[in-house]
Amino acid sequence: SQKIEQNSEALNIQEGKTATLTCNYTNYSPAHLQWYRQDPGRGPVFLLLIRENEKEKRKERLKVTFDTTLKQSLFHITASQPADSATYLCALPESGSASKIIFGSGTRLSIRP
Amino acid sequence: DAGITQSPRHKVTETGTPVTLRCHQTENHRYMYWYRQDPGHGLRLIHYSYGVKDTDKGEVSDGYSVSRSKTEDFLLTLESATSSQTSVYFCAISTRGRDRTEAFFGQGTRLTVV
Repeated sequence: SQKIEQNSEALNIQEGKTATLTCNYTNYSPAHLQWYRQDPGRGPVFLLLIRENEKEKRKERLKVTFDTTLKQSLFHITASQPADSATYLCALPESGSASKIIFGSGTRLSIRP
Repeated sequence: DAGITQSPRHKVTETGTPVTLRCHQTENHRYMYWYRQDPGHGLRLIHYSYGVKDTDKGEVSDGYSVSRSKTEDFLLTLESATSSQTSVYFCAISTRGRDRTEAFFGQGTRLTVV
């Protein structure tokens, strides 16, 4: 079965630096990959979607890359701010069922002033 | 929260009792999902629906059933609650299309089984 792996350890970054989070997946090639942000006590909020034929996608200070050979997506936050502190989850459609969305366990990001 | 309402928001129930959680949407989205979130496990799919009366199992469906009699409502039932079902439950909706495949989540329901 397919598996999504995100770094389970929290990532601590100095304000102003670039935060880079990793999402690895196994056992199939999804048509797209999504990134979400989750704050404590809240539901996840969609941030970006990148398709298999896109190498990179940007939205303001966010950048996502998608390497289908490595089966990996990188999520970058440039000029990080304390308000960026949250848990970030990657998600992709399950193999054989594009409407089933499955999630990684998320990486908690802390930006210190 | 994109027109998604979960009820109740908090519930404490006893082991062995049935529990029903409700998800209501006003977006007319075709797809609806129930996830549970536990420390160390992230979000795990319980069941999902791809239309009225059309549902399918997710990775952790044992002990849960769902029903969708109307586009706007998706019910999750714990037939006989167990302590292992203590969790935060999230409902999500999505609509498939080239540029709109993301999921929108409700506020979550915190369920405690004692």
